[in-house]
Amino acid sequence: AQRVTQPEKLLSVFKGAPVELKCNYSYSGSPELFWYVQYSRQRLQLLLRHISRESIKGFTADLNKGETSFHLKKPSALVSDSALYFCAVRDWVGGANNLFFGTGTRLTVIP
Amino acid sequence: DTEVTQTPKHLVMGMTNKKSLKCEQHMGHRAMYWYKQKAKKPPELMFVYSYEKLSINESVPSRFSPECPNSSLLNLHLHALQPEDSALYLCASSQDVAGNYGYTFGSGTRLTVV
Repeated sequence: AQRVTQPEKLLSVFKGAPVELKCNYSYSGSPELFWYVQYSRQRLQLLLRHISRESIKGFTADLNKGETSFHLKKPSALVSDSALYFCAVRDWVGGANNLFFGTGTRLTVIP
Repeated sequence: DTEVTQTPKHLVMGMTNKKSLKCEQHMGHRAMYWYKQKAKKPPELMFVYSYEKLSINESVPSRFSPECPNSSLLNLHLHALQPEDSALYLCASSQDVAGNYGYTFGSGTRLTVV
């Protein structure tokens, strides 16, 4: 089964500082990985997918198969980036796909 | 319409009550999901519907009963719940059953069992 690990529950950085949220996965095949974000009092929403290799709100994430990692990075954090971030991996279970979420990292950007 | 709509937003129910949570999407998504999220924890899968058929039941107690009347609606019927069932219940949908484009989540129903 696929699983993800987010080692940091809390992460604080100053505005303008680079930020990296760590995610490691365990999977025997080719993983499908995602980052989701939950801003205060808002719904959980997709931030980016590794297969699209996109940059959303200045965030990027590169799949490193050698290190089995999918860390989320941004060169210069904004106060508005403060939120709860979940790394997730898709798995095919019982004839349907499922998203397994990591335990989440709460990012606080200090003004 | 690019949203998943959940009602009600808040629900307080007694342990002997019967209530239902509703979820609706009009994006033509073919898979819909129920997740349970406790405070400061990640969402945990409860049920998956693909093409209106139940595909996964992650060993959820029978006091939770899902229903998918059509491709746009998903219900979660609740009966004889316990206080530990208090949580945020999230509905999600995905464009295809493989979830290649990610999931769209609703804002959730915050359930309190008293």
